[in-house]
Amino acid sequence: DAGITQSPRYKITETGRQVTLMCHQTWSHSYMFWYRQDLGHGLRLIYYSAAADITDKGEVPDGYVVSRSKTENFPLTLESATRSQTSVYFCASSESAVTYNEQFFGPGTRLTVL
Amino acid sequence: AQSVTQPDIHITVSEGASLELRCNYSYGATPYLFWYVQSPGQGLQLLLKYFSGDTLVQGIKGFEAEFKRSQSSFNLRKPSVHWSDAAEYFCAVGDTGNNRKLIWGLGTSLAVNP
Repeated sequence: DAGITQSPRYKITETGRQVTLMCHQTWSHSYMFWYRQDLGHGLRLIYYSAAADITDKGEVPDGYVVSRSKTENFPLTLESATRSQTSVYFCASSESAVTYNEQFFGPGTRLTVL
Repeated sequence: AQSVTQPDIHITVSEGASLELRCNYSYGATPYLFWYVQSPGQGLQLLLKYFSGDTLVQGIKGFEAEFKRSQSSFNLRKPSVHWSDAAEYFCAVGDTGNNRKLIWGLGTSLAVNP
């Protein structure tokens, strides 16, 4: 199906483990974003990417790594998970050919770090 | 720096009543403005957007919003709320940089009484 997908939808891991959250979009949008959503904090930008091989930090990048070797994929890796990274993670994409900033969101990944 | 304020953290309305969710932004020029809705356990869906032109914009699900430059506001309205409108609502403004980022409000949680 066309759109933006995230996997896994739910993940439980332990402190110190490496975890990778996947994001895939079929629109060939240039821009992609990773957010985390926590109660009382709304959406906070972790990393974003303007194109393949171009990434930049957002508000809360510490403890996270991203890569973008292909336009359609934008994985987010927690190198050594901590309990404070328990959150709901959303991936989004945006088209660069227009002058506005509309973003399209995936369904989210709920991550629990024990 | 740009910012978005949603003054109401939580609102409760009765089914069939009218609704207005407030959003104020800080931005020098004409902003790109958005309202998104997030149903429980779901990703974010675009309700409506404003870029230019008519200051009253219509969205999906019977929602509308009015851009008022003099008040730096972009309030969301619905004349008659349905129980299915219970959700989290986010206002956002496009970042000034050429990065397709959005600046987000913290959201307003809407409860609907039967």
